[in-house]
Amino acid sequence: NAGVTQTPKFRILKIGQSMTLQCTQDMNHNYMYWYRQDPGMGLKLIYYSVGAGITDKGEVPNGYNVSRSTTEDFPLRLELAAPSQTSVYFCASTSWGDHTGELFFGEGSRLTVL
Amino acid sequence: RKEVEQDPGPFNVPEGATVAFNCTYSNSASQSFFWYRQDCRKEPKLLMSVYSSGNEDGRFTAQLNRASQYISLLIRDSKLSDSATYLCVVNQAGTALIFGKGTTLSVSS
Repeated sequence: NAGVTQTPKFRILKIGQSMTLQCTQDMNHNYMYWYRQDPGMGLKLIYYSVGAGITDKGEVPNGYNVSRSTTEDFPLRLELAAPSQTSVYFCASTSWGDHTGELFFGEGSRLTVL
Repeated sequence: RKEVEQDPGPFNVPEGATVAFNCTYSNSASQSFFWYRQDCRKEPKLLMSVYSSGNEDGRFTAQLNRASQYISLLIRDSKLSDSATYLCVVNQAGTALIFGKGTTLSVSS
């Protein structure tokens, strides 16, 4: 069972470069999220989506963009990378229909901006 | 006031000890509450949901006090394998889960 799959697992970017973190889930979950986690800190919500075609900003959306064209995929776009975006990025999904609230996470994407 | 605040930790305890973590949340309209566990350099995983009446899962007991906006996690008979970071998580508006910074537990033999 694949669950939530994130790619790439590791990436080094130069300042000003752009890239897309890919996230796909095969559980038919309607809700998907992108979080970032800085060393020694909790997870901060970047963007989330409650279904295909719908996205909303979280706590720290600046410098990022998302799209949700299908239920399965929720890519995160970084434009003009900055050192402050060095972090571990987690994609997660859930189906609130069962009210358990369990988030299923990908293994994370470790991004370094130099 | 931060939305979800946890004990700063770290907690260093011997095997067999009982340890309690506390968490407070700022939004009184929060509806759902959870404890997640995160191992070093891994993704968080759900440990247990927290219900109004309190709930227990083996050595783990979670409590919720809505009046005080307070959540707790009690771990009895700590094991080496309990060493991890424990994240308090609160649901707001039914869509986005807000995470605390986490409390690190280190269990030693």
